[in-house]
Order: sequence, then structure tokens, then C-alpha cells
Amino acid sequence: AQSVTQLGSHVSVSEGALVLLRCNYSSSVPPYLFWYVQYPNQGLQLLLKYTSAATLVKGINGFEAEFKKSETSFHLTKPSAHMSDAAEYFCAVRANTGNQFYFGTGTSLTVIP
Amino acid sequence: DTGVSQDPRHKITKRGQNVTFRCDPISEHNRLYWYRQTLGQGPEFLTYFQNEAQLEKSRLLSDRFSAERPKGSFSTLEIQRTEQGDSAMYLCASSRDASSGVVRVYDTQYFGPGTRLTVL
Repeated sequence: AQSVTQLGSHVSVSEGALVLLRCNYSSSVPPYLFWYVQYPNQGLQLLLKYTSAATLVKGINGFEAEFKKSETSFHLTKPSAHMSDAAEYFCAVRANTGNQFYFGTGTSLTVIP
Repeated sequence: DTGVSQDPRHKITKRGQNVTFRCDPISEHNRLYWYRQTLGQGPEFLTYFQNEAQLEKSRLLSDRFSAERPKGSFSTLEIQRTEQGDSAMYLCASSRDASSGVVRVYDTQYFGPGTRLTVL
């Protein structure tokens, strides 16, 4: 069975500081992993995805994530936070059959001016 | 706009009433998914369609819930005899399944803006 765990339901960073949002996965086979961002009262927007190609994945808005099999992690980072990055971030793993996603509980990012 | 659209965006209803939501996927996408998201949680899978066929249903989908995709394009999700516990955001997503034979090729899921249901 596949699942993801997001450590830290709330993260606060200062504007211009490093953003690090943590995600660990559980999967019996090589996983397909995703990060989505959700702004208030909106749907989910894809930030980036890992599909077993390069382990360092670059996404939109300056975000990137690194797949580390030894740590079963897929943490999301951004070198310098911007006020517009304040949102809810979800890590997800895709099921091996059916293609439905299993989402983490989300991390709310606050950017302090 | 060629993204996933959902209608209505907001629905307020009284307990016991029936409600129906609509999802229009991206036109070339043959797979369509429904998820439910409650406050402070990530989306939870409800069901998905490959063209017009409903291939899987979560145990979260009680017998009061029914979903259809009659022509393999838009989909509807109906909730009968709504309960206060049904209050949530209902998200629709679509993707393209380019699988051929034993080779499974799944595209990314793209989400709509959601329908927020409030049951009073």
C-alpha cells in the first residue's frame, strides 16, 4: 500500500528565507510522487512530480524536490520564500493500480514579512 | 479556459436534501476522479472513471453517493439525503491514460476548483 506522511502541519518562514516542507512516503514499489499547492478556496495546482527519472525535480515558482530512496523522502524546498508562497502544500503518491492519489494531510506555509 | 471546471462552486443545503455536482474534465482526458476534502485534511479518493466505466469506488462512497459519466465526458456526483458530515469540498480531477497492452502510462492529474458543500 502507498501512503505519504507530511511532518509539520504548519511552517512559518521569513520572507527571503529557505522553505523546507517535509514528505516521507511508504511504497512497496518505486513510487510516483507529487507536490501540489492549494490557495484558499481553490483547487490543487501541480508544483512538480517525480516519475523515476532525475532524482532532483524542478517545478514551478522556484520550487524543487529531491527524491531520496534511502530516506524514503521527497522534501520540497525553495531557496527564498516570497509572500505569494503562503498556501497549503500537499504531498501525494500515486497508486500502482487505478492511478488514484493518496495525499498527505498538508502543510500550511506562512511567510512572515 | 481548457482546465477542469466544476459547477456549482458553492452549495448550501439542508440536511436530508439531495444535491448534484458536475465536473467537466479537460477534453482529451479519458480518466476522471472524484475526491473529498474536509477542513484541515488532504483530499481523499472517492471514485474514478475510465471513459464511461466506473472502475473503482472507495469505501468512503456510501450508498447515498452515486457518480456517473454517461458519455465519457462530463461527470456528475449525487449525494442523497445529505447529512452534516457530508459538508466538505468535493474535488474533481482528470488525466489521460495512454496505456497500451501491459505498458501502463498515466499522465498527471489536473484538479478543478472544487465544489464546497455546506449541509445545515
